[in-house]
Amino acid sequence: NAGVTQTPKFRILKIGQSMTLQCTQDMNHNYMYWYRQDPGMGLKLIYYSVGAGITDKGEVPNGYNVSRSTTEDFPLRLELAAPSQTSVYFCASSYSTAGGEDTQYFGPGTRLTVL
Amino acid sequence: KQEVTQIPAALSVPEGENLVLNCSFTDSAIYNLQWFRQDPGKGLTSLLLIQSSQREQTSGRLNASLDKSSGRSTLYIAASQPGDSATYLCAVSFVSGGYNKLIFGAGTRLAVHP
Repeated sequence: NAGVTQTPKFRILKIGQSMTLQCTQDMNHNYMYWYRQDPGMGLKLIYYSVGAGITDKGEVPNGYNVSRSTTEDFPLRLELAAPSQTSVYFCASSYSTAGGEDTQYFGPGTRLTVL
Repeated sequence: KQEVTQIPAALSVPEGENLVLNCSFTDSAIYNLQWFRQDPGKGLTSLLLIQSSQREQTSGRLNASLDKSSGRSTLYIAASQPGDSATYLCAVSFVSGGYNKLIFGAGTRLAVHP
């Protein structure tokens, strides 16, 4: 199993440009998540999905959009890039969250710089 | 509001030392607490998961304890090695809005030198 894969690994955007960060998992997990990690900080949840067709906002959703058309894929869309969105973005997945017993599996991250 | 704090922010030790990383959280109503390892340019790897009903978990040279009532956890690394150099993140889990929400600390950056 490849686990959770993310593309691209690095990207530089100009202010106002848009892009999509790709995330795919091959573990048949129901739950998927997008986090951002700013320098010296912990991860903050942007959006999450509990299954295909169902998404919801996390702590810091402004400036982002997501979709979940399949179990495997959970792309994150930036419509109008701003310098405040310079960060490392992590995608994660988990099978379930019932009872708090399940851990999340993380992708390698996408390092995004907005200039 | 749940907040997670990790002390120290950075630690540099010689190889072979035993060391303790600290994590504190403000709300004791958690499902579990996890310790993750983060290597540069890579994602997070779960090291240990302690359920709220448990007091500790062990894996090899790693031992994590949980004192839910006082809002504290420690990660003990025995006989540290250069390969242990990484950032260690603590995260608490609780149910919010139908999913298992993880709140992360900022991490402890560990350097073990030969």
